[in-house]
Amino acid sequence: AQKVTQAQTEISVVEKEDVTLDCVYETRDTTYYLFWYKQPPSGELVFLIRRNSFDEQNEISGRYSWNFQKSTSSFNFTITASQVVDSAVYFCALSEALGGGADGLTFGKGTHLIIQP
Amino acid sequence: GAVVSQHPSWVICKSGTSVKIECRSLDFQATTMFWYRQFPKQSLMLMATSNEGSKATYEQGVEKDKFLINHASLTLSTLTVTSAHPEDSSFYICSAHLAISYEQYFGPGTRLTVT
Repeated sequence: AQKVTQAQTEISVVEKEDVTLDCVYETRDTTYYLFWYKQPPSGELVFLIRRNSFDEQNEISGRYSWNFQKSTSSFNFTITASQVVDSAVYFCALSEALGGGADGLTFGKGTHLIIQP
Repeated sequence: GAVVSQHPSWVICKSGTSVKIECRSLDFQATTMFWYRQFPKQSLMLMATSNEGSKATYEQGVEKDKFLINHASLTLSTLTVTSAHPEDSSFYICSAHLAISYEQYFGPGTRLTVT
Protein backbone atom coordinates (compact mmCIF):
# COMPACT_ATOMS: atom_id res chain seq x y z
CA ALA A 1 0.00 0.00 0.00
CA GLN A 2 1.16 3.52 -0.68
CA LYS A 3 1.59 6.11 2.01
CA VAL A 4 2.69 9.72 2.27
CA THR A 5 3.95 11.20 5.51
CA GLN A 6 4.23 14.89 6.22
CA ALA A 7 5.50 14.95 9.75
CA GLN A 8 5.29 18.72 10.15
CA THR A 9 1.73 19.63 11.04
CA GLU A 10 2.38 23.33 11.27
CA ILE A 11 5.36 25.57 10.61
CA SER A 12 5.56 29.23 11.49
CA VAL A 13 8.36 31.46 10.24
CA VAL A 14 8.98 35.13 9.84
CA GLU A 15 8.79 36.60 6.39
CA LYS A 16 11.97 36.31 4.28
CA GLU A 17 13.13 33.21 6.09
CA ASP A 18 13.69 30.03 4.12
CA VAL A 19 11.50 27.08 5.01
CA THR A 20 11.55 23.41 4.05
CA LEU A 21 8.50 21.17 4.06
CA ASP A 22 9.27 17.49 4.41
CA CYS A 23 7.60 14.64 2.57
CA VAL A 24 8.39 10.94 2.91
CA TYR A 25 6.59 8.35 0.83
CA GLU A 26 6.15 4.59 0.67
CA THR A 27 5.32 2.58 -2.40
CA ARG A 28 6.05 -0.86 -3.78
CA ASP A 29 5.96 0.30 -7.38
CA THR A 30 9.03 1.31 -9.31
CA THR A 31 6.98 3.69 -11.42
CA TYR A 32 5.14 6.40 -9.56
CA TYR A 33 4.49 10.12 -9.51
CA LEU A 34 4.96 12.65 -6.74
CA PHE A 35 3.13 15.93 -6.43
CA TRP A 36 3.01 19.06 -4.34
CA TYR A 37 -0.14 21.15 -4.02
CA LYS A 38 -0.89 24.39 -2.23
CA GLN A 39 -4.29 24.89 -0.63
CA PRO A 40 -5.08 28.48 0.38
CA PRO A 41 -8.03 29.24 2.67
CA SER A 42 -10.35 29.30 -0.34
CA GLY A 43 -9.88 25.55 -0.57
CA GLU A 44 -8.95 25.28 -4.21
CA LEU A 45 -5.89 23.16 -4.83
CA VAL A 46 -3.05 24.85 -6.65
CA PHE A 47 -0.74 22.51 -8.54
CA LEU A 48 2.94 23.16 -7.86
CA ILE A 49 4.91 20.28 -9.29
CA ARG A 50 4.76 16.71 -10.58
CA ARG A 51 7.79 14.45 -10.65
CA ASN A 52 8.04 10.90 -11.93
CA SER A 53 10.10 8.25 -10.22
CA PHE A 54 12.69 8.12 -12.96
CA ASP A 55 13.59 11.76 -12.77
CA GLU A 56 15.65 12.51 -9.70
CA GLN A 57 16.81 15.89 -10.82
CA ASN A 58 16.07 18.64 -8.40
CA GLU A 59 13.89 21.43 -9.67
CA ILE A 60 13.83 25.13 -9.07
CA SER A 61 11.00 27.46 -9.98
CA GLY A 62 11.52 30.97 -8.75
CA ARG A 63 11.56 30.88 -4.96
CA TYR A 64 10.43 27.25 -4.92
CA SER A 65 12.71 24.25 -5.11
CA TRP A 66 12.22 20.54 -4.72
CA ASN A 67 14.67 17.87 -3.62
CA PHE A 68 13.77 14.35 -4.72
CA GLN A 69 15.84 11.57 -3.16
CA LYS A 70 14.81 8.00 -3.96
CA SER A 71 17.41 6.62 -1.55
CA THR A 72 15.51 8.12 1.37
CA SER A 73 12.05 8.11 -0.30
CA SER A 74 11.76 11.82 0.24
CA PHE A 75 10.47 14.70 -1.85
CA ASN A 76 11.08 17.86 0.13
CA PHE A 77 9.91 21.33 -0.80
CA THR A 78 11.80 24.52 0.03
CA ILE A 79 10.56 28.07 -0.18
CA THR A 80 13.30 30.64 -0.25
CA ALA A 81 12.73 34.14 1.08
CA SER A 82 9.21 33.32 2.19
CA GLN A 83 6.38 35.80 1.79
CA VAL A 84 3.08 36.24 3.58
CA VAL A 85 1.27 35.08 0.44
CA ASP A 86 2.95 31.71 0.85
CA SER A 87 0.80 31.06 3.90
CA ALA A 88 -1.35 28.02 3.12
CA VAL A 89 -1.63 24.30 3.66
CA TYR A 90 0.75 22.34 1.49
CA PHE A 91 0.09 18.77 0.48
CA CYS A 92 2.47 16.18 -0.85
CA ALA A 93 0.84 13.38 -2.87
CA LEU A 94 1.72 10.11 -4.55
CA SER A 95 0.23 8.25 -7.47
CA GLU A 96 1.19 4.83 -8.71
CA ALA A 97 1.08 4.48 -12.47
CA LEU A 98 -0.80 1.23 -12.87
CA GLY A 99 -0.18 0.16 -16.43
CA GLY A 100 0.23 3.74 -17.45
CA GLY A 101 -3.37 4.55 -16.63
CA ALA A 102 -4.73 7.15 -14.29
CA ASP A 103 -4.67 6.47 -10.61
CA GLY A 104 -6.06 8.43 -7.70
CA LEU A 105 -3.69 10.36 -5.51
CA THR A 106 -2.72 9.48 -1.98
CA PHE A 107 -2.22 12.67 -0.02
CA GLY A 108 -0.18 13.37 3.05
CA LYS A 109 -1.88 15.06 5.98
CA GLY A 110 -0.59 18.43 4.92
CA THR A 111 1.63 21.07 6.49
CA HIS A 112 0.08 24.34 7.54
CA LEU A 113 2.62 27.02 6.74
CA ILE A 114 2.27 30.37 8.46
CA ILE A 115 4.42 33.25 7.30
CA GLN A 116 4.41 36.08 9.78
CA PRO A 117 5.08 39.61 8.58
CA GLY B 1 -4.47 25.08 -19.37
CA ALA B 2 -7.11 22.47 -18.66
CA VAL B 3 -10.01 23.69 -16.56
CA VAL B 4 -12.30 21.68 -14.32
CA SER B 5 -15.42 23.21 -12.85
CA GLN B 6 -17.67 22.08 -10.05
CA HIS B 7 -21.24 23.04 -9.35
CA PRO B 8 -22.41 24.13 -6.92
CA SER B 9 -19.48 25.71 -5.10
CA TRP B 10 -21.37 25.39 -1.85
CA VAL B 11 -24.67 23.90 -0.75
CA ILE B 12 -26.64 23.68 2.45
CA CYS B 13 -29.25 20.98 2.72
CA LYS B 14 -31.42 19.40 5.34
CA SER B 15 -30.75 16.01 6.82
CA GLY B 16 -32.36 13.23 4.80
CA THR B 17 -32.30 15.01 1.47
CA SER B 18 -30.08 14.21 -1.51
CA VAL B 19 -27.57 16.52 -3.11
CA LYS B 20 -25.99 16.30 -6.54
CA ILE B 21 -22.56 17.74 -7.30
CA GLU B 22 -21.35 18.15 -10.87
CA CYS B 23 -17.79 17.98 -12.10
CA ARG B 24 -17.04 19.13 -15.64
CA SER B 25 -13.90 19.21 -17.70
CA LEU B 26 -14.40 22.38 -19.72
CA ASP B 27 -11.82 22.14 -22.46
CA PHE B 28 -10.76 18.52 -22.61
CA GLN B 29 -12.21 15.05 -22.50
CA ALA B 30 -11.65 13.05 -19.35
CA THR B 31 -12.03 9.31 -19.49
CA THR B 32 -11.34 9.15 -15.78
CA MET B 33 -12.46 11.43 -12.99
CA PHE B 34 -11.81 11.13 -9.29
CA TRP B 35 -13.80 12.22 -6.27
CA TYR B 36 -12.13 13.23 -3.03
CA ARG B 37 -13.49 14.28 0.35
CA GLN B 38 -11.81 16.60 2.80
CA PHE B 39 -13.05 17.09 6.35
CA PRO B 40 -12.09 20.33 8.13
CA LYS B 41 -8.39 20.59 8.83
CA GLN B 42 -7.77 17.15 7.40
CA SER B 43 -6.27 15.72 4.26
CA LEU B 44 -7.97 14.79 1.02
CA MET B 45 -9.16 11.21 0.85
CA LEU B 46 -9.93 9.47 -2.42
CA MET B 47 -13.52 8.29 -2.44
CA ALA B 48 -13.94 6.78 -5.88
CA THR B 49 -12.65 6.55 -9.41
CA SER B 50 -15.15 7.29 -12.13
CA ASN B 51 -14.69 5.97 -15.66
CA GLU B 52 -16.86 7.13 -18.52
CA GLY B 53 -19.50 4.60 -19.41
CA SER B 54 -18.77 2.18 -16.61
CA LYS B 55 -19.43 1.76 -12.92
CA ALA B 56 -17.34 3.72 -10.48
CA THR B 57 -14.75 2.03 -8.32
CA TYR B 58 -15.08 2.93 -4.67
CA GLU B 59 -12.35 3.00 -2.05
CA GLN B 60 -12.64 0.80 0.96
CA GLY B 61 -15.03 2.21 3.52
CA VAL B 62 -16.97 4.39 1.07
CA GLU B 63 -20.62 3.41 0.76
CA LYS B 64 -21.45 3.12 -2.92
CA ASP B 65 -25.19 3.21 -2.24
CA LYS B 66 -24.82 6.47 -0.40
CA PHE B 67 -22.43 8.19 -2.78
CA LEU B 68 -23.78 7.60 -6.26
CA ILE B 69 -21.41 8.43 -9.07
CA ASN B 70 -22.41 8.77 -12.70
CA HIS B 71 -19.89 9.45 -15.45
CA ALA B 72 -22.24 9.75 -18.38
CA SER B 73 -19.99 11.62 -20.76
CA LEU B 74 -16.34 12.42 -21.30
CA THR B 75 -16.79 15.84 -19.75
CA LEU B 76 -19.20 15.27 -16.89
CA SER B 77 -19.22 13.23 -13.72
CA THR B 78 -21.77 13.65 -10.95
CA LEU B 79 -21.67 12.72 -7.29
CA THR B 80 -25.00 12.36 -5.52
CA VAL B 81 -24.99 12.21 -1.75
CA THR B 82 -28.17 10.36 -0.90
CA SER B 83 -30.02 10.80 2.38
CA ALA B 84 -27.39 13.22 3.59
CA HIS B 85 -26.63 13.49 7.29
CA PRO B 86 -24.59 16.04 9.23
CA GLU B 87 -21.58 13.73 9.23
CA ASP B 88 -21.53 13.99 5.41
CA SER B 89 -20.74 17.68 5.73
CA SER B 90 -17.41 18.07 4.01
CA PHE B 91 -15.49 19.60 1.14
CA TYR B 92 -15.86 17.48 -2.00
CA ILE B 93 -13.27 17.88 -4.72
CA CYS B 94 -13.14 16.23 -8.12
CA SER B 95 -10.25 15.83 -10.50
CA ALA B 96 -10.16 14.92 -14.16
CA HIS B 97 -7.49 12.92 -15.89
CA LEU B 98 -6.20 14.13 -19.24
CA ALA B 99 -5.62 10.97 -21.23
CA ILE B 100 -2.74 12.16 -23.41
CA SER B 101 -0.61 13.01 -20.41
CA TYR B 102 -0.46 11.98 -16.81
CA GLU B 103 -1.98 15.22 -15.65
CA GLN B 104 -4.84 15.46 -13.21
CA TYR B 105 -6.70 18.71 -12.95
CA PHE B 106 -8.65 19.55 -9.83
CA GLY B 107 -11.94 21.33 -9.59
CA PRO B 108 -12.43 24.20 -7.11
CA GLY B 109 -14.40 22.01 -4.71
CA THR B 110 -17.92 21.96 -3.31
CA ARG B 111 -18.58 22.68 0.34
CA LEU B 112 -21.53 20.65 1.60
CA THR B 113 -23.22 21.48 4.88
CA VAL B 114 -25.99 19.22 6.12
CA THR B 115 -28.17 20.68 8.85
